[in-house]
Formats: sequence, C-alpha cells, structure tokens
Amino acid sequence: DAGVIQSPRHEVTEMGQEVTLRCKPISGHDYLFWYRQTMMRGLELLIYFNNNVPIDDSGMPEDRFSAKMPNASFSTLKIQPSEPRDSAVYFCASSLALIGVGETQYFGPGTRLLVL
Amino acid sequence: TQLLEQSPQFLSIQEGENLTVYCNSSSVFSSLQWYRQEPGEGPVLLVTVVTGGEVKKLKRLTFQFGDARKDSSLHITAAQPGDTGLYLCAGVNSNYQLIWGAGTKLIIKP
Repeated sequence: DAGVIQSPRHEVTEMGQEVTLRCKPISGHDYLFWYRQTMMRGLELLIYFNNNVPIDDSGMPEDRFSAKMPNASFSTLKIQPSEPRDSAVYFCASSLALIGVGETQYFGPGTRLLVL
Repeated sequence: TQLLEQSPQFLSIQEGENLTVYCNSSSVFSSLQWYRQEPGEGPVLLVTVVTGGEVKKLKRLTFQFGDARKDSSLHITAAQPGDTGLYLCAGVNSNYQLIWGAGTKLIIKP
C-alpha cells in the first residue's frame, strides 16, 4: 500500500487567498484525521471523520477552516481566507478504528503551508 | 483539559550515551503511544503500552508505562545518529482520543 497520500507537499500563498489541502487515506481505513503542527502548539487534532461523516470538529480553529470527505478515498481541508497565523504543517492520518489497544494511526508526509 | 507534559524539549548528546525522555500527566490514560517523527515526514508509531507498570523493548529503546498509567518514559541505550528525530508521546483517553505531548527533539552527534 502507498500509505496516506497528501498534496501538495508545499504551499506558499498570500494572505486572503483560498488554500485547499488534499488527502487520500489508506484503502479500507474507516477513520480519517486532520492535524496541524506548529512549533508553538505542537500537534493539534482539527477534525476527524468516520465512514466519511465528520464526528468531532471541535479542534477547527474558526469558520475560515472547513473539511469535507466526499468519499472513502478523498478528503479536503480548506482555509478561506488564509492568514499568516495559519502557517504550519498540516497532516492527514487514517486508521482502521479509533485508537485503542493495538490500533494505529498512519500519518501522511504532511503539507507545509506558508501564508505570506 | 487533559495535558501531557513531555521533557526535555530538546536534547543533544554524543553517540554512545544513554538518555531518557519523560511524559507526565495528572490524568489517567487507557494506553500510551510513542511516535518518532523525522524531518519532512509524519509521526510513525513506535510502541503502545497498555498495562500499568508495563515495560516494552524495541532494540535499544525501552518504554515504560507508570503504575498509575499517568506517566511514561522512553530510555535509549547507546544512542546512535540514526536515533535523531522528534519523539512524541500520546495518551489515549476514555473517548479514544489521542492527547499529544509537545515532543522531544533529539540530536545524536557522531
């Protein structure tokens, strides 16, 4: 399996522009997670889906952020409008089930976003 | 709010030395995971500890879960440059959510 695939790997944009990050989870995984990682705040869970349905979006910073999962093999995280403080590495992860004994989240390589 | 404090934040040592990284919380976790993250990549799971007092070994890495399941440690024996990376601990709470530590950036100098 190719693992979790994210695109783009790097994104540089100007403040106010719309940014769309994409993720393809591992085939057969029912759970998909979006994280943000910064030096100041570490790794933060933004939202997660189960069987394409958003379950917990309490980590989404504000209304400028939205996430969708139209099918089992694709998810997007959109920021509109983007701001410099959104600069971070955004990770997508997937798993067969919620974290428990023996369960593992598999992370993609991340998208490094820089908002100027 | 559940917190997981990880220490030290940064550690730079010579090849061959031993080191220990700690994760502490006032909360009880059902299990705790340790990840390693290399530059430009996502975190990769190293181990999951479940039972209070449990010790797991992965080659030169020894992981221990505290008796009360509130803390954990990672000990590396005879560190090698290949051990360089960001080490993250994450506790699993009663809602099956991961509570992440801030990470320990480890550099092993040849």
